[in-house]
Amino acid sequence: EAGVAQSPRYKIIEKRQSVAFWCNPISGHATLYWYQQILGQGPKLLIQFQNNGVVDDSQLPKDRFSAERLKGVDSTLKIQPAKLEDSAVYLCASSFHLREGDHEQFFGPGTRLTVL
Amino acid sequence: TQLLEQSPQFLSIQEGENLTVYCNSSSVFSSLQWYRQEPGEGPVLLVTVVTGGEVKKLKRLTFQFGDARKDSSLHITAAQPGDTGLYLCAGVGTYKYIFGTGTRLKVLA
Repeated sequence: EAGVAQSPRYKIIEKRQSVAFWCNPISGHATLYWYQQILGQGPKLLIQFQNNGVVDDSQLPKDRFSAERLKGVDSTLKIQPAKLEDSAVYLCASSFHLREGDHEQFFGPGTRLTVL
Repeated sequence: TQLLEQSPQFLSIQEGENLTVYCNSSSVFSSLQWYRQEPGEGPVLLVTVVTGGEVKKLKRLTFQFGDARKDSSLHITAAQPGDTGLYLCAGVGTYKYIFGTGTRLKVLA
């Protein structure tokens, strides 16, 4: 079974530039998550989709971050414009069910973003 | 805001030693998960504990969920260099995961 795919793996941009990350979840997984992980810290949930609907985006900085999952499969996360503090690893994860106590998240390898 | 504090934050030990990592919160979770993350990779699930007081063993790793379902511990017996990594607990609530602050473990040969 193929895992969660993410691209690019690395990205270096100047502050105020725009960047987009792509994620393809495991086939059949209805729930997709985007996390931001600052170096050495635990992942922080940015947005959670159930199929193509948003379940939780309470921690997404909506003035600069946007995400979509138009066909309920793959997803893109965009930052526009980027700030220095956006330097982090952006992890995508998917899970089969959205049901309490019954979900294993499968993570992609992440995209390491450096903002100069 | 729900928070999961892990301690210690960093741990460097010799091969063969035992260690315990703690995950504490003031919130109750329906279940709690432990993940291990290696450099350049995403976290990988080790275990899910669901019932208060539950203990699960995975080879040399022992996981315990607190009676009140607010805290958990991970105990590693006879640590090996292959155990090196970032250990993350994650509280599972209503359609939401809250990840802990992480414990970075280094096991020296």
